[in-house]
Amino acid sequence: GNSVTQMEGPVTLSEEAFLTINCTYTATGYPSLFWYVQYPGEGLQLLLKATKADDKGSNKGFEATYRKETTSFHLEKGSVQVSDSAVYFCALRGGGGKLIFGQGTELSVKP
Amino acid sequence: DAGVIQSPRHEVTEMGQEVTLRCKPISGHNSLFWYRQTMMRGLELLIYFNNNVPIDDSGMPEDRFSAKMPNASFSTLKIQPSEPRDSAVYFCASTSVEGIILNTEAFFGQGTRLTVV
Repeated sequence: GNSVTQMEGPVTLSEEAFLTINCTYTATGYPSLFWYVQYPGEGLQLLLKATKADDKGSNKGFEATYRKETTSFHLEKGSVQVSDSAVYFCALRGGGGKLIFGQGTELSVKP
Repeated sequence: DAGVIQSPRHEVTEMGQEVTLRCKPISGHNSLFWYRQTMMRGLELLIYFNNNVPIDDSGMPEDRFSAKMPNASFSTLKIQPSEPRDSAVYFCASTSVEGIILNTEAFFGQGTRLTVV
């Protein structure tokens, strides 16, 4: 079945550092890919998405490119802020509409 | 719209008791998901519905768990009897799905934190 694998956290960075959170997936067909963010005590919120190969999703300085050849959807940001501290989830939605998530990566940004 | 509404926000119950978690999806959405989040297992999909019909319940851990969606505006997740290992945060999410369109955003409720003692 479909699955999503993320790099393990926690990831600790200094403010203005470059961020990469790796995400790879296994799926049949052509799933849509998502990154969600969860702040403490809250539900998940959509950060960005991509629906086909080579699409780039972007929002709030975050970017991710749908790479079908490597089955990856890595999240990047050029300069993180303290306010970016949260848990980030990679997700895919495949045939039948099932939405599944990776295990989440906790990001902590220090001033 | 008020978003996805879950109740209660917190629930503490004794082992063996029945627990019912409730979810009101966003009006107009026709797809609903129930997830369980724990430190050990992350975010697990328990069950999801399309047009009030359960499509995939393969994530429901065992027969003690059941979920219903009697209409488009309400769903419940029931645990009977509850056990300490059921302690987790349970999230409900809703979205719209039309045919093969899979890129619509799923909106999450704030979750129910369940503690079984």
